[in-house]
Amino acid sequence: GENVEQHPSTLSVQEGDSAVIKCTYSDSASNYFPWYKQELGKGPQLIIDIRSNVGEKKDQRIAVTLNKTAKHFSLHITETQPEDSAVYFCAYRTGANNLFFGTGTRLTVIP
Amino acid sequence: NAGVTQTPKFRILKIGQSMTLQCAQDMNHNYMYWYRQDPGMGLKLIYYSVGAGITDKGEVPNGYNVSRSTTEDFPLRLELAAPSQTSVYFCASSYYQGSNGYTFGSGTRLTVV
Repeated sequence: GENVEQHPSTLSVQEGDSAVIKCTYSDSASNYFPWYKQELGKGPQLIIDIRSNVGEKKDQRIAVTLNKTAKHFSLHITETQPEDSAVYFCAYRTGANNLFFGTGTRLTVIP
Repeated sequence: NAGVTQTPKFRILKIGQSMTLQCAQDMNHNYMYWYRQDPGMGLKLIYYSVGAGITDKGEVPNGYNVSRSTTEDFPLRLELAAPSQTSVYFCASSYYQGSNGYTFGSGTRLTVV
């Protein structure tokens, strides 16, 4: 249960537009799905997360949606700003195990 | 409150040399982790520890060793450096295994030539 596919690998959007990043997992027992943002030269930072008993969670301009039937979850960023430019990682956890990470999406917001 | 501190930030090693990557946290977290990050490959777990004196292998442990003599420190040892170990290494900690809040250090960029 360590497979998580993340798409796209790179994404460029105009400032003010929305950005969507999607991850697909294989282990139906997965119960926790965080998203991390990694700025240049820094370690990943948790920006939002969702548990398997919730379909959607929102925090200002970012939201995460979870489709357990299809086994995918997505990060949505609205009204993008240049400071949103970073690498974003999805992750998942099964039970009380460690986190497994996606391969990352490099988001560039063009002013 | 410094969080997770990693040293050094950069290092160049010759093949066959040894080194220790240092990691310290001041949040009294029980769990600590070492990840490596390769381009396009995401983060792969090398080793983790559930508390002082206890360590366990992750996905990619070969070529590395760890120890956890105190709650605060979790050093990663490379005994015989190989070019395949060129990567960025991140240490992280959490209150419990799989905890919501993984706190990452700022990373160590290692190049083996």
